[in-house]
Amino acid sequence: GAVVSQHPSWVICKSGTSVKIECRSLDFQATTMFWYRQFPKQSLMLMATSNEGSKATYEQGVEKDKFLINHASLTLSTLTVTSAHPEDSSFYICSAPSGERDQPQHFGDGTRLSIL
Amino acid sequence: GQQLNQSPQSMFIQEGEDVSMNCTSSSIFNTWLWYKQEPGEGPVLLIALYKAGELTSNGRLTAQFGITRKDSFLNISASIPSDVGIYFCAGRLGTSYGKLTFGQGTILTVHP
Repeated sequence: GAVVSQHPSWVICKSGTSVKIECRSLDFQATTMFWYRQFPKQSLMLMATSNEGSKATYEQGVEKDKFLINHASLTLSTLTVTSAHPEDSSFYICSAPSGERDQPQHFGDGTRLSIL
Repeated sequence: GQQLNQSPQSMFIQEGEDVSMNCTSSSIFNTWLWYKQEPGEGPVLLIALYKAGELTSNGRLTAQFGITRKDSFLNISASIPSDVGIYFCAGRLGTSYGKLTFGQGTILTVHP
């Protein structure tokens, strides 16, 4: 079945570094992808909707200049956390709607981001 | 915006017991989904519900889409240790490509 691949799975970097996370749809095209952020033992909070060929739509309270989203092709969306600080440490998950009744959205396996 | 209230927040049960959790919303959804998430992984879909009143089973799991379209429940029968994880409800309003709103999650611990 359709799969969403997320890379890297884990990244540790110094404060002030910019980090890019990739989300790929492997055998289907995704004009829309979603980016979530999740703190330990908490829910998934939608950050933004990534739209192929146009600007992302950010949820209220999410800084678009801090979390840059690019969706340049039908199979790839990237999230760049710019000038990351320890408070940006979290689990970031992407998903892509498949249009399939039995599998409405395919989720990546997430990226654990740790900022020192 | 839409909010989902999921309860209970956590459950500690003995193997073999049945489990029930539910979600309520301040507004209607036209799709309810139940996911399970294990540490370090993305959510995995358990059951999808598309019609008010729909009752659907997946093995030991049963879920229902509330008649008012503002609530859903998930039952797990005869729990086993591998049921441990975080369970999330999610609602969707709009097209099949629309965004999901997640509940706060229920942390399930099963003691052998």
